[in-house]
Parts: sequence; C-alpha cells; structure tokens
Amino acid sequence: DIVLTQAPLSVSVTPGESASISCRSSKSLLSSKGITSLYWYLQRPGKSPQLLIYQMSNLASGVPDRFSSSGSETDFTLKISKVETEDVGVYYCGHRLEYPLTFGSGTKLEIK
Amino acid sequence: EVQLVESGGVLVQPGRSMKLSCAASGFTFSSFPMAWVRQAPTKGLEWVATISTSGGSTYYRDSVKGRFTISRDNAKSTLYLQMDSLRSEDTATYYCTTSYVWGQGVMVTVSS
Repeated sequence: DIVLTQAPLSVSVTPGESASISCRSSKSLLSSKGITSLYWYLQRPGKSPQLLIYQMSNLASGVPDRFSSSGSETDFTLKISKVETEDVGVYYCGHRLEYPLTFGSGTKLEIK
Repeated sequence: EVQLVESGGVLVQPGRSMKLSCAASGFTFSSFPMAWVRQAPTKGLEWVATISTSGGSTYYRDSVKGRFTISRDNAKSTLYLQMDSLRSEDTATYYCTTSYVWGQGVMVTVSS
C-alpha cells in the first residue's frame, strides 16, 4: 500500500500569514498517463471533507487562489497564502493512483 | 446544486447487516466512479470501496472484502453499500464521494 506521510501534525498561523503542509509518498504518484495523482482535502470542524486540489496542482472549483500546491513525484507541498479564519480545519492529502486508495494522517490548522 | 445525500446509518449489533444509500443530484451520476470513505471517531479518512461508472468493476479495502458490497443504480442516481458481518471496528461516519463532491456523511455504530 502507498503510505502518505504528512507534516507537521498541527500548525498555528496568524491571520494574513502563510502556512505550508508537506505530504510525502512512499511511491511515485506519477501515472503512466503523465498525471500526478495527488489530491488535497480540507475538513472543517464538524463538516465533510471538501476537495481543494486535484492532480497535484489544479485548484478545485470554488476554492480561493490563496491555495496552491506543487511537488515532484513523491514530495508535495500545499501552501495557503494570507490565511483566514475560515481555513481552520484538518488538511489531508490523498492519492488515486492505485488500490487501495490511501490518505495522509492529517494536519490540523489553527489560528493564533 | 450538486449534492450527495447518504441515509441508512443506525446502531447495529456485531455480526448483523446494514445497507447505506447515497442519492446523487445536480450532476450526471452515471459518468462518475463512486466511492465510500469512512472516518472512525476522532480518526482520519479511510477509503472503503470504489465502483466504476457501469458498476462492472468494484474495489475494496482488505478489511471489508467479503463482508461489504458496493453497488449502484444509475437509473436512480443512487449508490449503495451493503455491510454484512459488521464488527465494532466498522463504527464510523461513512461518506459517499466522487472525490470532487462529498456527502454529509452517515454514522454507523456497531455495538452490543
């Protein structure tokens, strides 16, 4: 199974500052079709997860462009610029390269 | 409005069965592979099963193989999860998802 390791476990950010979350994969997530199968999700407190980023760097519909993602085949970074209070929650990375699908253990973002 | 609405969750005894449903609206259900993802209390996200657009292919995590069955009715735009021989470790909130859209989740508690 592909293991996704997220860091840090939690991050505390002052509104208006930036935050970065790392996700490292135990296997390359580059598919034979040239697509990097890495996804980022946000789960706000008491809510369902929502898709933020698909295929490593594509912003999902309705997601503010304060969110961005980049990486290689195994190392990925989600960056949140100008953090707002509504960004509070747990961020998960996940892949869709092969079965079983797996997720990182999550990074909790809090506001200072 | 794009929407997924789960139903069927309840308290059930170990060894018994339960069937979850997920009604889709606002998008062409038959065009999307569908999945169930669960989240145990205070834990992270865990993929359970995926079904192809036609229903002809299904995939399961090892711990539910032989006990859970994912299915779909494209005419009714509905996804199902039949869960048999339930165990305490199946206790979780179950989400149906296209990965791009997530339902609100339904709680399944397995306890005597």
